[in-house]
Amino acid sequence: AQTVTQSQPEMSVQEAETVTLSCTYDTSENNYYLFWYKQPPSRQMILVIRQEAYKQQNATENRFSVNFQKAAKSFSLKISDSQLGDTAMYFCAFMTVNTGNQFYFGTGTSLTVIP
Amino acid sequence: DVKVTQSSRYLVKRTGEKVFLECVQDMDHENMFWYRQDPGLGLRLIYFSYDVKMKEKGDIPEGYSVSREKKERFSLILESASTNQTSMYLCASGGGLGQGTFYEQYFGPGTRLTVT
Repeated sequence: AQTVTQSQPEMSVQEAETVTLSCTYDTSENNYYLFWYKQPPSRQMILVIRQEAYKQQNATENRFSVNFQKAAKSFSLKISDSQLGDTAMYFCAFMTVNTGNQFYFGTGTSLTVIP
Repeated sequence: DVKVTQSSRYLVKRTGEKVFLECVQDMDHENMFWYRQDPGLGLRLIYFSYDVKMKEKGDIPEGYSVSREKKERFSLILESASTNQTSMYLCASGGGLGQGTFYEQYFGPGTRLTVT
C-alpha cells in the first residue's frame, strides 16, 4: 500500500523566517515522483515543487527547497524568507508510474505566515 | 498555461437528486482525475481516466460514476445525492507516459457541493 503522512496539521511562522514542513511516505516501488502542492484560502491548488526519486540532488524553486531522504522515505519542504502570500494548505504527494499515474496525497499542513 | 475548468464553483442540491459535475482541460492530457477534499482527510481519489471511455476506480468510488466521452472532458456523476457527499470536489488532469511531462497534475478551482 502507498501512504503519505504529514504529521503537522497546523504550523505558523513569522514573516521573513524559515519554516520546514515534514512529509514521509511508504512505497515498495523504486520509480516514483514526489510533489508539494499549495492551496491558498479559497484558491486553486498549484504545484510548488517536484522531485524525481532517481535524482539525488534536492530540488529547489526560488524560496522553496526540499530535503529528499530516499532511504528514510522523507520529503520535507523548506520555505525561506516566508511571505504573507505563503499562507496556505500544503499537500505532499507522490506518484508511482506503475500505478497509472495515480497520486497519493497527505492530509495537508495548514501554514500561517504571521506579519 | 494549462487550464482546468469546472462547471460550477458552488452547488446546492437536494437529497436524492442526480448531480453532474463537469471538468474540461485544454492541454490534451491523457489522464484526468476526480478527488474529494474534506478537512483532516486530504484529497481522496474517486475515479480517474487514462483515455477516452476508460475509467478506473479510486479509493472511494461508492455512490459515484464518471464519464469520459471526449479527451478534454471528464464528468463526475452522483446518481442519488446524499448528505454525506457534501464536500469540495476537485478535478485534475495530467500528462501520460510519452507525453513528455513530469506527471504533475493540474487542478481546477473546485466545486463546493452542499447536499441538503
